[in-house]
Amino acid sequence: GAVVSQHPSWVICKSGTSVKIECRSLDFQATTMFWYRQFPKQSLMLMATSNEGSKATYEQGVEKDKFLINHASLTLSTLTVTSAHPEDSSFYICSARDLAGVREQYFGPGTRLTVT
Amino acid sequence: GQSLEQPSEVTAVEGAIVQINCTYQTSGFYGLSWYQQHDGGAPTFLSYNALDGLEETGRFSSFLSRSDSYGYLLLQELQMKDSASYFCAVHGSGGYNKLIFGAGTRLAVHP
Repeated sequence: GAVVSQHPSWVICKSGTSVKIECRSLDFQATTMFWYRQFPKQSLMLMATSNEGSKATYEQGVEKDKFLINHASLTLSTLTVTSAHPEDSSFYICSARDLAGVREQYFGPGTRLTVT
Repeated sequence: GQSLEQPSEVTAVEGAIVQINCTYQTSGFYGLSWYQQHDGGAPTFLSYNALDGLEETGRFSSFLSRSDSYGYLLLQELQMKDSASYFCAVHGSGGYNKLIFGAGTRLAVHP
């Protein structure tokens, strides 16, 4: 099956710093990638839809200036958490669908962010 | 708005059958998907229903009734490794690609 990777798998940063998370589709091209946030024992909340070569579409309540998304190629999207605060600590997961238009989304393994 | 409801927890024994229900309200609807997620892991796709009826994939089956805005995931011959969280997700308003997830059902399988 298709594989999506994320890097790093976990990161600890100090409050006020920025963190970049990469999401790569390893064996397929993805015009669209999605970024989710998941708090412990809760559901996945869609943050934004990342489109290759264009601006991301953010969900209501998600600060686009805080969560910067760049989808520079058909295999890479990045999420940068700027000026991170402890409340940004969460599990960030990306997903992608390939150009073939199959029904499922392929999820990355997630990145656990802890802001101290 | 959009909302999905599913039970928060289900407990069963090995070899049993479990049904996890999902009801949804959405302004647009393309289909209903089910995902499995083990603790600390990534969600993995289980099934997708766009039309009414039952879809069977091995030990897992999924059902959809569009008129009732209702679906379920049926897990048969439960195994310990099936202990995980199960999410229903609507492909709804905002386009087919956009998934809105339910809160998830934690399934605990006991010997």
